[in-house]
Amino acid sequence: DARVTQTPRHKVTEMGQEVTMRCQPILGHNTVFWYRQTMMQGLELLAYFRNRAPLDDSGMPKDRFSAEMPDATLATLKIQPSEPRDSAVYFCASGSPGGSGANVLTFGAGSRLTVL
Amino acid sequence: GQQLNQSPQSMFIQEGEDVSMNCTSSSIFNTWLWYKQEPGEGPVLLIALYKAGELTSNGRLTAQFGITRKDSFLNISASIPSDVGIYFCAGQLGSNYKLTFGKGTLLTVNP
Repeated sequence: DARVTQTPRHKVTEMGQEVTMRCQPILGHNTVFWYRQTMMQGLELLAYFRNRAPLDDSGMPKDRFSAEMPDATLATLKIQPSEPRDSAVYFCASGSPGGSGANVLTFGAGSRLTVL
Repeated sequence: GQQLNQSPQSMFIQEGEDVSMNCTSSSIFNTWLWYKQEPGEGPVLLIALYKAGELTSNGRLTAQFGITRKDSFLNISASIPSDVGIYFCAGQLGSNYKLTFGKGTLLTVNP
């Protein structure tokens, strides 16, 4: 089965530290999404890319978050400096065209971040 | 922005019962998707709906795309313990648009 691979699965860090999360999308998928999941807000879109170009990062706090796709096999989400309110599960998803051209997303297992 | 209202927030049912959950939107979508999330995992796609009025089944699951394009429902028949999880609806306006997710329905099935 093709799958989206995320690392690390778990990360505990102290406030102020830099955190980098990585994602390997499914080979051939040309869209990549970063979502954050919390109990209070549910799944929130942070950023997404098509053909490695950022299409929308309006959901991302620009002062501390950055998302990039250095190449087609790697997407990164970086938080610098991290804060306790960033504690959440971060999901990467890659998309393949479904009916009517819609994106059908396959999610990774997530990176659970705890900022102390 | 677009918002999805998903209900109920949680359900506690007995094995064998049928389940129904739904999503409504303040604006139209061109695609509705239903995902299931189990503990420690990411959401997994269950059903995708692409046309208003479309009714699609996947085993014991049935979902419909509302004719107004502002709502969708998911039914699970004859529930079993492995149906436990959080079910999310998601809507998309077009191929270049982001997916908007509902807050999820937590399903608990008592054996």
